[in-house]
Amino acid sequence: DAGVTQSPTHLIKTRGQQVTLRCSPISGHKSVSWYQQVLGQGPQFIFQYYEKEERGRGNFPDRFSARQFPNYSSELNVNALLLGDSALYLCASSKGQGLNEQFFGPGTRLTVL
Amino acid sequence: AQSVAQPEDQVNVAEGNPLTVKCTYSVSGNPYLFWYVQYPNRGLQFLLKYITGDNLVKGSYGFEAEFNKSQTSFHLKKPSALVSDSALYFCAVRDMDSNYQLIWGAGTKLIIKP
Repeated sequence: DAGVTQSPTHLIKTRGQQVTLRCSPISGHKSVSWYQQVLGQGPQFIFQYYEKEERGRGNFPDRFSARQFPNYSSELNVNALLLGDSALYLCASSKGQGLNEQFFGPGTRLTVL
Repeated sequence: AQSVAQPEDQVNVAEGNPLTVKCTYSVSGNPYLFWYVQYPNRGLQFLLKYITGDNLVKGSYGFEAEFNKSQTSFHLKKPSALVSDSALYFCAVRDMDSNYQLIWGAGTKLIIKP
């Protein structure tokens, strides 16, 4: 079975631009979570979606938004990019939203210039 | 609030020796704890989890973790280290007050020297 896939792998944007990151979960998984990992730190929770509804939101500004589609894939959008948004963005999928382990994709490396 | 601490930024171990990567936690209820490993330029890989039951949890790649409630610790261990174990290790706890999101430690870089 294919694991969690993310696209693109790398992305370079300039300040003020907008970006969309994509994630496809493992087949059969209905929950997708997004994390931001700044170099040298642990991941920070951004969003969780389960059955196409937002089930959790971390401490991120409204410039960050996400959605989950009927096939359970997900997009993360970031508007008005700042230099501080430069990070590795990780998507994780799990069967449910409870205590199941999360399986992570390889991430999208976003660089904001 | 739930939190996780990994007190060591880096751990150096000789190949063949036992290794321990430390993790302590603070939760308001029952802890649900996880260990993940991150290799360079790759995503996080699940190693093991503690939900309930035996205090010694066995996971992938020969790793195990010992849950100690009195010391609020969940240390990762392996009896004999391999050079290929060199990676970044993260401890995480489920935030049961906030939609089960994972709260992560800062990570510990494990270096295994031949």
